[in-house]
Amino acid sequence: EAQVTQNPRYLITVTGKKLTVTCSQNMNHEYMSWYRQDPGLGLRQIYYSMNVEVTDKGDVPEGYKVSRKEKRNFPLILESPSPNQTSLYFCASSLPSSYNEQFFGPGTRLTVL
Amino acid sequence: SQKIEQNSEALNIQEGKTATLTCNYTNYSPAYLQWYRQDPGRGPVFLLLIRENEKEKRKERLKVTFDTTLKQSLFHITASQPADSATYLCALELKRDDKIIFGKGTRLHILP
Repeated sequence: EAQVTQNPRYLITVTGKKLTVTCSQNMNHEYMSWYRQDPGLGLRQIYYSMNVEVTDKGDVPEGYKVSRKEKRNFPLILESPSPNQTSLYFCASSLPSSYNEQFFGPGTRLTVL
Repeated sequence: SQKIEQNSEALNIQEGKTATLTCNYTNYSPAYLQWYRQDPGRGPVFLLLIRENEKEKRKERLKVTFDTTLKQSLFHITASQPADSATYLCALELKRDDKIIFGKGTRLHILP
């Protein structure tokens, strides 16, 4: 089954404790992206990657890191999480062709205390 | 400044009628505009994509139009059903850097 998976689905952590949210897709997609979704603010792009070893900042990259060492994986790293990073996070992937339908993962609900 | 706006936070439509959602943008040059559906607690699901040189796209009961002069897209659901109740998001993919910008969404309620 074609899908984007994220782990963990739920995470409660404390300020300053480094964490990684994993994202993996099995569709051989070049484009991958991370979003956060907050009430009243909608979906905002954090980082995106056009292909392996190529990453770019989205609209809200501060406090986040990403890496793209393999095509299928695009982990999101919070080196020193803060309470304002409490949010619902989505990973997405797509082909960088004429039809850029994005496939979204199920989401990761992160709470930083 | 750059903005993407969806006409209203919430929209109530009687079952069987056509629901029309609006997405307006300013100061962007999009390559594509996409519409997604999102149900509570779940990731968005792709519905339709329309390119800058296309005026209209259809898929079953869904229709989207794209007017780059007005900087507006309209999303129509005909013969609406309660199962169409969800939040609908529009998104632009920008020509200059492949970023994707989402609107805040419109919560659509189809009333039986």
